[in-house]
This record gives sequence, C-alpha cells and structure tokens, in this order.
Amino acid sequence: QSVLTRPPSASGTPGQRVTISCSGSNSNIGSNTVSWYQQVPGTAPKLLIYSNDQRPSGVPDRFSGSKSGTSASLAISGLQSEDEADYYCATWDASLNAYVFGTGAKVTVL
Amino acid sequence: QVQLVESGGHVVQPGRSLRLSCAASGFSFSSYGMHWVRQAPGKGLEWVASVWDDGNTKYYPDSVKGRFTISRDNFKNTLYLQMSSLRAEDTAVYYCAREPSRHSRYFDYWGQGTLVTVSS
Repeated sequence: QSVLTRPPSASGTPGQRVTISCSGSNSNIGSNTVSWYQQVPGTAPKLLIYSNDQRPSGVPDRFSGSKSGTSASLAISGLQSEDEADYYCATWDASLNAYVFGTGAKVTVL
Repeated sequence: QVQLVESGGHVVQPGRSLRLSCAASGFSFSSYGMHWVRQAPGKGLEWVASVWDDGNTKYYPDSVKGRFTISRDNFKNTLYLQMSSLRAEDTAVYYCAREPSRHSRYFDYWGQGTLVTVSS
C-alpha cells in the first residue's frame, strides 16, 4: 500500500506550470484526505496543502491541490525560483494503521 | 508563535538507546496530537510515532514498533521519543510535528529536526 509520486522529478522555467501526482490505493488516498509538504534542502518540511485542496494562511495561491479516487495532485502555477524544493504528499492508511508519505518529487526551476 | 525545538540527537552505537525531546511553545500543547517523523540521509519522509493529546493513545509503524516509545509531559510542554535497540537504518533527522486536531491527518507545524547517527 505504498504511495508513489510521479514524476520523481519535474522542472520548468519561471512562470510555467508544474504538476506532481501521488498514486495510492483504496486504503490510503482513496479513503482519506491528502496533505502536501514542501521541503527546501536542509530545512524542515512545511505544510503546503491540507484536506486535499486547502491552503494554510500564508501559502500563495499559486499552489493548488486536488484529489480524484486513489490519486492526488499538486499544481504549481507561475513557477518561481523559490519553489525549487522537494514535495511530498501524505495521507493515512487505514489498512496499515499508519501515516504514509509519498516517495517525493524534486522540482527544479530552470 | 508556534515553536517546536527538538534536541537529544547524537552519535550512538548499534543496540544502544537514546531519548529525543521536543520542547513546544506558543500553543496549548495539551490540546494537540503530536508526532515524530524521520528522514534518512538523502531519503524521503517516514512517519515514526504518534500520540494523542491525552497521551494515552499511541501509534507506531512496524519498522519501530517494540523498539521506540513516544510519550509526552503536558506539564512541561514536551514530547519525547525513547529509542532502544538502535540500528544503522535508524540513522536520520528526527522531526517532531503537530497535528491541528484529532483525526485531521496532517501536520501543520514542524520542528527543525535533530540528527541521530547510529554507528560503531
């Protein structure tokens, strides 16, 4: 019941749109909400999206989340240099009785 | 403002024990579930342990169950992770994180992390 992030790396020029997806199963993404975290190398993760599509205060609206069935997506529109980071999805897996993180995706701004 | 400050990370030999602490401030600690998440060098995030606000309900993944114990002192506003029978694969940065409400299933604040190195 692992959660895979695809693609494992993505890139774009400033201003472009980048999309990352997490693919799970009925026991995790399919039956629980998804959150997304941004981690700049060498720093702690930061909450980006919660409850599939909600942004905490202070997170730019360039970041948006969605979920459909057993998959979830994070879109970054109007890519900026400070968006260069690793991105992780996370959810609860009811079969494992565990929180599970996606494998992560590295976003590079060219 | 919410602050989580981990401490206790160390170089430790395989098989030994270590206790991590996470000092919380800026919020009502006793009202929140708390968690430990780790990240091995160059790897992704892995959930390690959870404890509900009252300290009575705890969860662990199979990878640490029976070796790690999460606890909290709501009077000292501190979260702990007691790690025993440490293995090389436990080498990681350990983060504490807050869950905003019971069953919300996400972590809204994270500490800066503390590095645990298991090596002979």
